[in-house]
Amino acid sequence: ETAVFQTPNYHVTQVGNEVSFNCKQTLGHDTMYWYKQDSKKLLKIMFSYNNKQLIVNETVPRRFSPQSSDKAHLNLRIKSVEPEDSAVYLCASSYTGFHERLFFGHGTKLSVL
Amino acid sequence: SQLAEENSWALSVHEGESVTVNCSYKTSITALQWYRQKSGKGPAQLILIRSNEREKRNGRLRATLDTSSQSSSLSITATRCEDTAVYFCATDGVGGSNYKLTFGKGTLLTVTP
Repeated sequence: ETAVFQTPNYHVTQVGNEVSFNCKQTLGHDTMYWYKQDSKKLLKIMFSYNNKQLIVNETVPRRFSPQSSDKAHLNLRIKSVEPEDSAVYLCASSYTGFHERLFFGHGTKLSVL
Repeated sequence: SQLAEENSWALSVHEGESVTVNCSYKTSITALQWYRQKSGKGPAQLILIRSNEREKRNGRLRATLDTSSQSSSLSITATRCEDTAVYFCATDGVGGSNYKLTFGKGTLLTVTP
């Protein structure tokens, strides 16, 4: 049962282009996250938002910027993609913080040519 | 460096057998969570075990936590082909942020008929 929705499922683009990924959760959660998963399945947190406020901003390149219009939506923009950005980007949410269960979307797979 | 880490990269069992995935972590925690990720999907939580708990069960799953050795295990009995997935342990973040869940590298479990 999916309650965290991500679009698109896949995106293929060229180096230097700008891309945006969308995420919406219908669970009424206060906190949302973006994780990056590489080809070896390694999951790394990128951003965390609590009630539209950025809480965690791991040292990701500046070309990545999260955008939140309300606590149910958290988008991710990559201004000028690089080959190393090829990965699966997973959006998640939880009631409060990380002490709780995280609910993940299915992910957006980005391929940079 | 990873704050949590599974001890095996891959495991393979036959359907009906039992299997255990182990995890070690490096810091004090509030809770440890086990997630499972099937192909093409986002991770889904299986069990959350708090630092004052030693064991937690969920159907065929049993998680243990040993805070003295900073280790946890997830056992699956009567495995099924649909248990084939990557299994992650995940722990609280440290260093000032309340909104970070750090995942281990994952163990690929393959259950064959």
